Amino acid sequence: ETGVTQTPRHLVMGMTNKKSLKCEQHLGHNAMYWYKQSAKKPLELMFVYSLEERVENNSVPSRFSPECPNSSHLFLHLHTLQPEDSALYLCASSQEAPAGGGTYEQYFGPGTRLTVT
Amino acid sequence: TQLLEQSPQFLSIQEGENLTVYCNSSSVFSSLQWYRQEPGEGPVLLVTVVTGGEVKKLKRLTFQFGDARKDSSLHITAAQTGDTGLYLCAGERGGGSQGNLIFGKGTKLSVKP
Repeated sequence: ETGVTQTPRHLVMGMTNKKSLKCEQHLGHNAMYWYKQSAKKPLELMFVYSLEERVENNSVPSRFSPECPNSSHLFLHLHTLQPEDSALYLCASSQEAPAGGGTYEQYFGPGTRLTVT
Repeated sequence: TQLLEQSPQFLSIQEGENLTVYCNSSSVFSSLQWYRQEPGEGPVLLVTVVTGGEVKKLKRLTFQFGDARKDSSLHITAAQTGDTGLYLCAGERGGGSQGNLIFGKGTKLSVKP
């Protein structure tokens, strides 16, 4: 496997279910991200992990719970979601830039298309 | 709040035509990235521009960063059906912290044979 992989690619779940999305990066990067992509909205950053520590949480509801056990793996645990949470969930990775500069070129996985019924 | 406005939102052209899409902001970015996203896939990085006034070429694609680093354009020459997709620009806010990319809503390009 190369690049960034995500599983499952499609997920349909009821509002009372618990499920998890998985992301794995094979690029040797040390930062990973979860984004939400909905129709008619820009990509929304949800969580950032740098060196396995969460460094950003953009006011995401607690029904979304991230986990980063190591620099190559990232999970998004889902619990009691709402229909408006239906979207494409994208994982990305990047190499943290050296202090004082650099660009954050992000490499995305194919996404998980989530439908909440 | 820093926003990136992309225009047009939708563009449908015939194969062989030229086109330009735009990415504008009132804020300055330390760098700007362009991605292409195909249906059912994640965005794929095309280019990063860093210096004001910089022009980069990628085969038939020409990217330009505005002198003031507030805007960018993507010009495609002789479009092909394989250019179809959602083109996203993303500006880096700088400041040294992770996750500093601001994305636009994208331009959805359809190239018809």
